[in-house]
Amino acid sequence: SQKIEQNSEALNIQEGKTATLTCNYTNYSPAYLQWYRQDPGRGPVFLLLIRENEKEKRKERLKVTFDTTLKQSLFHITASQPADSATYLCAQLRGSYIPTFGRGTSLIVHP
Amino acid sequence: NAGVTQTPKFRVLKTGQSMTLLCAQDMNHEYMYWYRQDPGMGLRLIHYSVGEGTTAKGEVPDGYNVSRLKKQNFLLGLESAAPSQTSVYFCASRSADSGNTIYFGEGSWLTVV
Repeated sequence: SQKIEQNSEALNIQEGKTATLTCNYTNYSPAYLQWYRQDPGRGPVFLLLIRENEKEKRKERLKVTFDTTLKQSLFHITASQPADSATYLCAQLRGSYIPTFGRGTSLIVHP
Repeated sequence: NAGVTQTPKFRVLKTGQSMTLLCAQDMNHEYMYWYRQDPGMGLRLIHYSVGEGTTAKGEVPDGYNVSRLKKQNFLLGLESAAPSQTSVYFCASRSADSGNTIYFGEGSWLTVV
């Protein structure tokens, strides 16, 4: 079955730097990869979606890439701020009612 | 525009008690989901529904039941609560259209003592 893998270790970076988070999938290429942000005590909130035939998507300071050869999506936050500190979840959906989520990576941006 | 609303937000139950979590969405979405989230485990799917009157089991369905009598509501029931069901529960919904943004509720914190 398809698995979505994210680094379980927290990513610590300095304010102003670019944060890069990784999402790997194990089997078939998802039709869509989605990224969500989850703050402590809150539900996940949708950020970006990238389709299988797209290589890159941007939204303000956020950028997502999709490499079907590496079976990987990268999520970048440029000019990071302490307010970007949160857990970021990757999710995939292909031909199914059920989205598959990774366990999330915690990002901590230090002032 | 409320989105996805869960009630209650917090609840403490004694072992063996029953309760129902209510999820309501106002976006006319076809699909609805119940997840539980535990430390280090990520989101785990309990049950889901692809339309009014339909339900299906997810990854961890044991000890839970669900019903979707109306399109906008998805109820999660615990018939006989166990300490292992202490968790945060999230309801989510999405449309059947391609793109499929998933909208989550704010969570329901359940403690079983």
